[in-house]
Amino acid sequence: NAGVTQTPKFQVLKTGQSMTLQCAQDMNHEYMSWYRQDPGMGLRLIHYSVGAGITDQGEVPNGYNVSRSTTEDFPLRLLSAAPSQTSVYFCASGGLAITATQYFGPGTRLLVL
Amino acid sequence: AQRVTQPEKLLSVFKGAPVELKCNYSYSGSPELFWYVQYSRQRLQLLLRHISRESIKGFTADLNKGETSFHLKKPFAQEEDSAMYYCAPSTLFWGGSEKLVFGKGTKLTVNP
Repeated sequence: NAGVTQTPKFQVLKTGQSMTLQCAQDMNHEYMSWYRQDPGMGLRLIHYSVGAGITDQGEVPNGYNVSRSTTEDFPLRLLSAAPSQTSVYFCASGGLAITATQYFGPGTRLLVL
Repeated sequence: AQRVTQPEKLLSVFKGAPVELKCNYSYSGSPELFWYVQYSRQRLQLLLRHISRESIKGFTADLNKGETSFHLKKPFAQEEDSAMYYCAPSTLFWGGSEKLVFGKGTKLTVNP
């Protein structure tokens, strides 16, 4: 049971490049989400999904796309990277309940030059 | 609007001293309350949640519905408690809410 996995661990991009951050979970969780973590800003929700085929925007969705074709995978796409997207990105998954614990991945450090 | 406030960005105490990390929330209804912790270069993980009424690593958290607070406390801090702590009120799937929003976090440093 690997839990929540993220790839890559670290990535450097040039402004304007696109890339996909991968997230997978093997706990059969319906709820998955993406956060970015910035100093002084805490964790901010980018996008989330309540099941395969269902996604919605969080607090800071601009510049990011997501899709959820399977229960296990929830990739985050940066369409045209900008320096403001330099951050640490965390994927999380959990059950569909108010009492559900969220399980986090190890994070992806992204540097946009 | 839903809001969670952790008033201290940084908190520094000496080993053996009591520590309290504050969390105030403004939510409609009755959210479930969580504290998550992130140790250096590790992933975030659940520390404790109100519904379990448990003490984890010596930490407890008291829910005060009147003050809408869920402060995290430990009577004697240890150096290994140094970490980033996040408060997270959850109304997931209650009243139609599907967003889980975290506080901005408090960085706790326990000095020897």
